[in-house]
Amino acid sequence: ETGVTQSPTHLIKTRGQQVTLRCSSQSGHNTVSWYQQALGQGPQFIFQYYREEENGRGNFPPRFSGLQFPNYSSELNVNALELDDSALYLCASSRTSGGYYEQYFGPGTRLTVT
Amino acid sequence: EDQVTQSPEALRLQEGESSSLNCSYTVSGLRGLFWYRQDPGKGPEFLFTLYSAGEEKEKERLKATLTKKESFLHITAPKPEDSATYLCAVQSNSGYALNFGKGTSLLVTP
Repeated sequence: ETGVTQSPTHLIKTRGQQVTLRCSSQSGHNTVSWYQQALGQGPQFIFQYYREEENGRGNFPPRFSGLQFPNYSSELNVNALELDDSALYLCASSRTSGGYYEQYFGPGTRLTVT
Repeated sequence: EDQVTQSPEALRLQEGESSSLNCSYTVSGLRGLFWYRQDPGKGPEFLFTLYSAGEEKEKERLKATLTKKESFLHITAPKPEDSATYLCAVQSNSGYALNFGKGTSLLVTP
């Protein structure tokens, strides 16, 4: 069984630029959630995608957007990067059916905005 | 608004010295409470899900318990490889987002 994978591992961007992060879900999972984790903090929910639609959103501005593809993989796009966007971005996949709610996380993408 | 508070923030144990981590929560209808382990620079690793008060789950040296207001992660005879940050999260009936606490950083010394 293949786990959740994310790319790239690390990324350095300049303030004002745009970035796209990618996630492949675990086999058998149909839902992808994205989280932002600042240093020393717990992960913060950005949004979730199910059946290629946004299925819930946390307290993040519209410049954070996403996509889910028919194979359940997903992208997180962040426009107009700010210094505070520097964080570990985590993707988690799950099965939203049958009473299973565990979310399995990928290794993350470390984004540094300078 | 859902809230999760973990204590202590940091814990240092000698190898073999058992202890407990606490996760206090408020949520409008609990769907599940989740425990994860996170090593530095890596994604959280799923440990347990607890769904109702009184439920307990075990895995090797770890045991998680749940009441209506808090959860405990008991670590029995820890080893240095148990050193990590342990995260607690709640999921409410109104959605699928996980609401995390800040975590407890555990260091087990030989």
